[in-house]
Amino acid sequence: DADVTQTPRNRITKTGKRIMLECSQTKGHDRMYWYRQDPGLGLRLIYYSFDVKDINKGEISDGYSVSRQAQAKFSLSLESAIPNQTALYFCATSDRAKGEAFFGQGTRLTVV
Amino acid sequence: GESVGLHLPTLSVQEGDNSIINCAYSNSASDYFIWYKQESGKGPQFIIDIRSNMDKRQGQRVTVLLNKTVKHLSLQIAATQPGDSAVYFCAEMTTDSWGKLQFGAGTQVVVTP
Repeated sequence: DADVTQTPRNRITKTGKRIMLECSQTKGHDRMYWYRQDPGLGLRLIYYSFDVKDINKGEISDGYSVSRQAQAKFSLSLESAIPNQTALYFCATSDRAKGEAFFGQGTRLTVV
Repeated sequence: GESVGLHLPTLSVQEGDNSIINCAYSNSASDYFIWYKQESGKGPQFIIDIRSNMDKRQGQRVTVLLNKTVKHLSLQIAATQPGDSAVYFCAEMTTDSWGKLQFGAGTQVVVTP
């Protein structure tokens, strides 16, 4: 089983719809992250959480919200999806003492 | 309309040769650096890291070099294999923003027989 699991793996949704991407981890890490990847642009941080009661905006948080339901679960929501949110989304976790982040397999989201 | 994505820099390497992937990082305050490998359809995987108090670190078949003077990071892969074909990202982080990785755009490595 994967240490960082994202669901769904692929999703096509219509403009204006609300959608939630889910992430769960079995690594026991406190810190969780959501990144977005666009072709040729690397990964950009959307939101991050250093523990269950901590939520912080990343560099591209507009149009997104998150919920840290438990230490192991961190979900990303698009309240009203728009086509330029079409991208590959990655959840990641890290230990507070180490910088290395562990990534899930990604969710490919298409907004039509 | 059709979106036009940016094209990644591509490094074409013959199997068995050594690869050198370069990265110019942006923040002079960054003090921790990681190289990630991303294969098609997968999430990024950790390869090797280095702290700013070092200028070289070696792993299995990989070496990372750090030149803080010119803010340059490189990844050397020895005896490149077909399984090394992937996109490689450098990422940087500061102590003040520990955990928040800033990623470069990536380099596509293509290994030819």
